[in-house]
Amino acid sequence: DAGVTQSPTHLIKTRGQQVTLRCSPKSGHDTVSWYQQALGQGPQFIFQYYEEEERQRGNFPDRFSGHQFPNYSSELNVNALLLGDSALYLCASSPERGHQETQYFGPGTRLLVL
Amino acid sequence: DAKTTQPPSMDCAEGRAANLPCNHSTISGNEYVYWYRQIHSQGPQYIIHGLKNNETNEMASLIITEDRKSSTLILPHATLRDTAVYYCIVMPGGYNKLIFGAGTRLAVHP
Repeated sequence: DAGVTQSPTHLIKTRGQQVTLRCSPKSGHDTVSWYQQALGQGPQFIFQYYEEEERQRGNFPDRFSGHQFPNYSSELNVNALLLGDSALYLCASSPERGHQETQYFGPGTRLLVL
Repeated sequence: DAKTTQPPSMDCAEGRAANLPCNHSTISGNEYVYWYRQIHSQGPQYIIHGLKNNETNEMASLIITEDRKSSTLILPHATLRDTAVYYCIVMPGGYNKLIFGAGTRLAVHP
């Protein structure tokens, strides 16, 4: 079992650009959540996808959008990048049934905006 | 906002038990206590959770007070690899959005 995988591992962008991050959930999981973790802080919930729909959303602007594919993998898109978007972006997967709160996290994508 | 209070940092000697406290005085009857940890440069890792009974698994034990207003995560024999930030999270069962606070930075030293 490969667990949750994310790509790329690191990324450098400039202000105003757009970025797409990718996540493959753990085998058997159909729910994907995205988190943003700024340096020295705890992760902050961005949104969650289930059945290809956004089910919950945290306090993030519309510049942050996502998508879930039929194979449950997911993408996080951020438009019009700001310096403050520099962070570690974490993807977590969980089963719809059972212990939903037991989320399994990937290693993250570290984004640097210059 | 996080509904828990944790000390910002703690130290523990290798081989000794690490006892990490968490205060959650406003916890509701349907809310569970969850613990995750994050080793440097990795994603958070689930450790354990409980409602009102004490729980134990291969990683740790969770002791919840009778009034459920506080809990303690116990790592019985800490190793250097247990050095991490430990997060205590309170949320309802079936609720799938983790709200992380600042956590406790545990340093295990030789």
